[in-house]
Order: sequence, then C-alpha cells, then structure tokens
Amino acid sequence: DVKVTQSSRYLVKRTGEKVFLECVQDMDHENMFWYRQDPGLGLRLIYFSYDVKMKEKGDIPEGYSVSREKKERFSLILESASTNQTSMYLCASRIDRGFSYEQYFGPGTRLTVT
Amino acid sequence: GDSVTQMEGPVTLSEEAFLTINCTYTATGYPSLFWYVQYPGEGLQLLLKATKADDKGSNKGFEATYRKETTSFHLEKGSVQVSDSAVYFCALSEGQNFVFGPGTRLSVLP
Repeated sequence: DVKVTQSSRYLVKRTGEKVFLECVQDMDHENMFWYRQDPGLGLRLIYFSYDVKMKEKGDIPEGYSVSREKKERFSLILESASTNQTSMYLCASRIDRGFSYEQYFGPGTRLTVT
Repeated sequence: GDSVTQMEGPVTLSEEAFLTINCTYTATGYPSLFWYVQYPGEGLQLLLKATKADDKGSNKGFEATYRKETTSFHLEKGSVQVSDSAVYFCALSEGQNFVFGPGTRLSVLP
C-alpha cells in the first residue's frame, strides 16, 4: 500500500513563527503536492513538485515556500505564520499509471496560528 | 479550463437509504474520474475511479459510471450505513492537471 505520512496531526504556532510541515512518501513517486482545505473553499493547491529540487506554484502560493531535497520528502514552509494560515494542510503523492494519475493523500496537519 | 461541479450539501439520510451524489465535469479531452472520501479528522482516501467512457468504478458498495455523453460521474450506494458519514469529493485528472470538486458532506442517521 502507498503510504504518505505527515509529521504532525495537530500543530499550534504563534504569529510570526517559521513553520515547517513535513511530508514523506514511500512509493518512489515523482510528483508531490501541498493543498490547504478550508470550509466552503474545498481543496486549494499551494505548491507542487514533479522532481527533486523542482517546484511549481499552485493557485495560492503567497506566504508559503517549499523544499524538495530528496525524492521521498516534500516540505511546506510558512516563513512568518499569520492567523489567516490557520487551516488543514494536506500532502499528496501521485503515481502516473498509464492514463490514470491517481493521487494518494496523507492524514493531514491541522495548523492553528494564534 | 477543467472544472468539477458537485451537488450542494449537506446530505442527510437515514441508515439503509439509497444514496446519490451528483457530479458533472468540464474537460477539454478525456479525463480520468475519481471519487475520494474524507472521514472526520482524516485525509482524503481514494474510493473509486474510472478511466474511460462507460467504465464503472466500484468499492465498498459504492459505484459510479463514467458517462461521457452527459459528462457525469454520479456516486451511488444502495444502502448507506452510519459509518459512511464523511465528505465526498469528485475529481478529474487530465494530463498533469488534477481538479477537485468542492465536496459534499454526507450524514447518515441511525
């Protein structure tokens, strides 16, 4: 089974802190994604990476950065956390199987910024 | 661009009722279609998928048929259980593009 793990299930940080959210997948997938999920807004793509050291902005990259130093690990960084970044953060990993690009998700990190 | 539309929730049903959650899509080509489920406090899990027209995906009593002529992928289950209470997301992938619907919350009452 594909396994995508996230470093924390719940996190509480103060405004202005630098926050690291870690995601690890164990299936050698090239593509990895960070989404945030907010009530009424569904899933919104923050950043994605299709290879080591490669990254692309998603729909809402402002206030975030990412790091992909190893294939299995994709980190989301909040340089200076703000209260409007309180959200559920979901990491996903994608397999390319013929014409079907399935995404596999981690359990999520619920971040609260106070 | 590609998009996915789902019926507005929440949907509340009694146990053993029949479930339908509507999903329609807009795409330029021939996407693969997916249903994901999110249980409370959890991430999204792939529930079922279909990769071409007239394919039927099925899992855990849920099923959905890829209807190209109506650009739809409605989720159905004949008899829901309390444990099916969750948020359901319809999604499509076309090439490198992956698009989610807004999600539909289902509550099943005993």
